[in-house]
Amino acid sequence: AQSVTQLGSHVSVSEGALVLLRCNYSSSVPPYLFWYVQYPNQGLQLLLKYTTGATLVKGINGFEAEFKKSETSFHLTKPSAHMSDAAEYFCAVTRPSGGSYIPTFGRGTSLIVHP
Amino acid sequence: DTGVSQDPRHKITKRGQNVTFRCDPISEHNRLYWYRQTLGQGPEFLTYFQNEAQLEKSRLLSDRFSAERPKGSFSTLEIQRTEQGDSAMYLCASERKTGTGGSPLHFGNGTRLTVT
Repeated sequence: AQSVTQLGSHVSVSEGALVLLRCNYSSSVPPYLFWYVQYPNQGLQLLLKYTTGATLVKGINGFEAEFKKSETSFHLTKPSAHMSDAAEYFCAVTRPSGGSYIPTFGRGTSLIVHP
Repeated sequence: DTGVSQDPRHKITKRGQNVTFRCDPISEHNRLYWYRQTLGQGPEFLTYFQNEAQLEKSRLLSDRFSAERPKGSFSTLEIQRTEQGDSAMYLCASERKTGTGGSPLHFGNGTRLTVT
């Protein structure tokens, strides 16, 4: 069964510092992996995704993530945090279901950015 | 692309009452999902439709919950005899079927249910 573990429910960084949000997954088949961001009282928005091909994927707002099969990881990074990056971040992996694929989400990591 | 629309945004109800939520997906998307999100947790899968067919239901979806998607367009999620444990954000998402698992979900802003 597919599952997602996000290490750290809260990550606190200073503005301009490196952002690193961790995601490990378990999957019995080659995974499709996603990062979503959620701002207060809103739905989730796609940041980036990995399907096949290049293992380093770039997303919106300067974020990127690297798929490491040997480590079953898909960590999210950004070189320099902005105040506007403060939000909840969710890693997701899809699992096959009768010809379709159901996204399974991690518990989320709250990113706090200090001035 | 007008986005996924959910109505209402907020619903406060008394325990034991029935509630119904509506979701209007992006028009060309043939898959529609319902998720539930409680404080400090990620979205939990409830059910999904491909066109009008409901293809999978989570064990989280008790007999008090029912979802429909008539004619493969909008969807409704009804909760009967609400309980305080039903208090959560109910998220709807739609997806264009591509035959692979690589399509992202497009989420609405959710309906926040509070059961008093």
